Amino acid sequence: SQKIEQNSEALNIQEGKTATLTCNYTNYSPAYLQWYRQDPGRGPVFLLLIRENEKEKRKERLKVTFDTTLKQSLFHITASQPADSATYLCALSHLKTGKLIFGQGTTLQVKP
Amino acid sequence: NAGVTQTPKFRVLKTGQSMTLLCAQDMNHEYMYWYRQDPGMGLRLIHYSVGEGTTAKGEVPDGYNVSRLKKQNFLLGLESAAPSQTSVYFCASNSGRSNQPQHFGDGTRLSIL
Repeated sequence: SQKIEQNSEALNIQEGKTATLTCNYTNYSPAYLQWYRQDPGRGPVFLLLIRENEKEKRKERLKVTFDTTLKQSLFHITASQPADSATYLCALSHLKTGKLIFGQGTTLQVKP
Repeated sequence: NAGVTQTPKFRVLKTGQSMTLLCAQDMNHEYMYWYRQDPGMGLRLIHYSVGEGTTAKGEVPDGYNVSRLKKQNFLLGLESAAPSQTSVYFCASNSGRSNQPQHFGDGTRLSIL
């Protein structure tokens, strides 16, 4: 069955460092991979989308990589700030259906 | 600039009671989705709709029904609530293209006693 895994343990880093979150998947060939941010008590908010034929995508301090051979995506936040503390979700989408399959999320805590 | 609005925000039910969760979007999106989010399990798709008057089952549809009578509204019903349905429910919408992000509401926190 299709499976998406994100680190279930919280990631704690110091302000100013680069945070790297991992998303691995099996038994799936997604056309797109999306990353969302979720704050406590709020709904997920879209951050970035990367296509299967793209290796890397950047937006301000955010960078996403997508390796379809390893079946893995890495999500980087450079120069991290306490305001970046949140849960980050990866999601895979099929080309035809557009439905998303979500990972369970990784909680990031940036300490000042 | 409301986006996706969910009502109510919180609700406590007794086992066997029924209720309807309402989702409204003002972005003229074709597709709408209902998810539940449980600790350690991520978001799981309950039902979705690809347009007014249409609905389809997602990953965990049992115990839920939905209706999409108007394009902007998507209703999720629990006919006979069970404690296993205690969860946070999120509604989302998008244009339906697989390269488009989904826009989420802020959820309904439902407890079934």
